[in-house]
Amino acid sequence: QVQLVESGGGLVKPGGSLRLSCAASGFPFSDSYMSWIRQAPEKGLEWVSYISPSGSTIDYADSVKGRFTISRDDAKKSLYLQMDSLRADDTAVYFCVRGHTIVQFWGQGTQVTVSS
Amino acid sequence: EIVLTQSPGTLSLSPGERAILSCRASQSITSSYLAWFQQKPGQAPRLLMYGASSRATGIPDRFSGSGSGTDFTLTINGLEPEDFAVYYCHQYVSTPFTFGPGTKVDF
Repeated sequence: QVQLVESGGGLVKPGGSLRLSCAASGFPFSDSYMSWIRQAPEKGLEWVSYISPSGSTIDYADSVKGRFTISRDDAKKSLYLQMDSLRADDTAVYFCVRGHTIVQFWGQGTQVTVSS
Repeated sequence: EIVLTQSPGTLSLSPGERAILSCRASQSITSSYLAWFQQKPGQAPRLLMYGASSRATGIPDRFSGSGSGTDFTLTINGLEPEDFAVYYCHQYVSTPFTFGPGTKVDF
C-alpha cells in the first residue's frame, strides 16, 4: 500500500534552515507528481509546492518562493523540501503528498517550529 | 488566487441527521476541479470527493458532492459518529492551489 513517511522536522531559530525528507513506497514514485502541503497550529491547510515526474515542472506558493526548494531523488524514492530563511509563520505540520491536483495519499506529517 | 469561503463555520448536529456544507469560490472553478477533505484531530486529511462529485476510493455513499462554477456542496446523509470532524474544500484548477477555512461538524 502507499506509504509516505516524513522526517527532518524540528525546532529552528528564525533565519535558520531545515531540510525535510519524505520516503515513499507502494507506488511508482518516479512516475508521480509529489507535493508539500502545510498546516499551521489550529489553522487550515496551505499548499506549499509541487514537483513533476523527473522534476521538469516545479511551482511554489508565493509565501515560500525564493526561500524553499523542492527536489526529488527517484533512485531513493524520496522527496525533499529545503527550507531557508525560515520565519515564525512557517511554523506548521508539513505533509508529503502523492500527486499535485487530486491529492489522495498523505503522510502523517512532520512538525516544524520556528522560534527564538 | 482563488479564495474559497466555507459556511457555516460550525455545524452542530446529531448522529443520523443530514449535514449540508457549502463552499463558495471567488471565481469560477472550471471543469469542477474541486475536492473535499475530512480531517480528524492529529490525523492527516482524508480525500472524500474530487471533481466536485466523484467519491474517492473507499468513501461510503452517504457522502455526496455537487455544484459547479462558484458554488459547491458536500452532503452527508445520516451522520455516523465517525463523521464528526473538520471538512475542507480545495480547488486544484490553478496555482496557488487553495483550501477553504473549514467547517467543523460536531455534536
